[in-house]
Amino acid sequence: DADVTQTPRNRITKTGKRIMLECSQTKGHDRMYWYRQDPGLGLRLIYYSFDVKDINKGEISDGYSVSRQAQAKFSLSLESAIPNQTALYFCATSSLAGGPTGELFFGEGSRLTVL
Amino acid sequence: GENVEQHPSTLSVQEGDSAVIKCTYSDSASNYFPWYKQELGKRPQLIIDIRSNVGEKKDQRIAVTLNKTAKHFSLHITETQPEDSAVYFCAARIPAGGGNKLTFGTGTQLKVEL
Repeated sequence: DADVTQTPRNRITKTGKRIMLECSQTKGHDRMYWYRQDPGLGLRLIYYSFDVKDINKGEISDGYSVSRQAQAKFSLSLESAIPNQTALYFCATSSLAGGPTGELFFGEGSRLTVL
Repeated sequence: GENVEQHPSTLSVQEGDSAVIKCTYSDSASNYFPWYKQELGKRPQLIIDIRSNVGEKKDQRIAVTLNKTAKHFSLHITETQPEDSAVYFCAARIPAGGGNKLTFGTGTQLKVEL
């Protein structure tokens, strides 16, 4: 089945380290998103991309950067991780054909702990 | 930007009872309101959605209602079953900038007790 795959699924790191979370998809979707989930705060949009080389900030982009290396790959980087970036991170995709209200398909999540 | 408030944060019901989760949004230009279900340890998945030109939508035991004037929408689950236990997120689409960028509510932990 076509899917959205995130790596790593779990990562523990130390303050100040550079971390990259990777997302790849076999759905053939052109739109990709990174969300962050914190208890009691829901899911918050970090960055999104509608095509290769198209990068847009979401509501909480400070401290993060992204790269859209290919249509199927969208990576999230924390240049210098800090403890309040400890969270569950989700990559998601949607299809242009689905229009602006197309379903979001989420990956399985990457749990990041910054000590 | 858009702000979505969701209540209650936790909800416990007896199996077979109904459950209602309510959300309000701030941006009157929002035009799409999906609901996602996240089972424990799993990814969020779309269960139902409604567009701003529709007041109500139903799919078997779940239904969503939208009141554009009051800027609120609700999820209704009837005849609840243990497998309905999960966290439910409402969301509103951010109209500006294109694509399906969603502002999510803070989530409701629904527990269906036997």
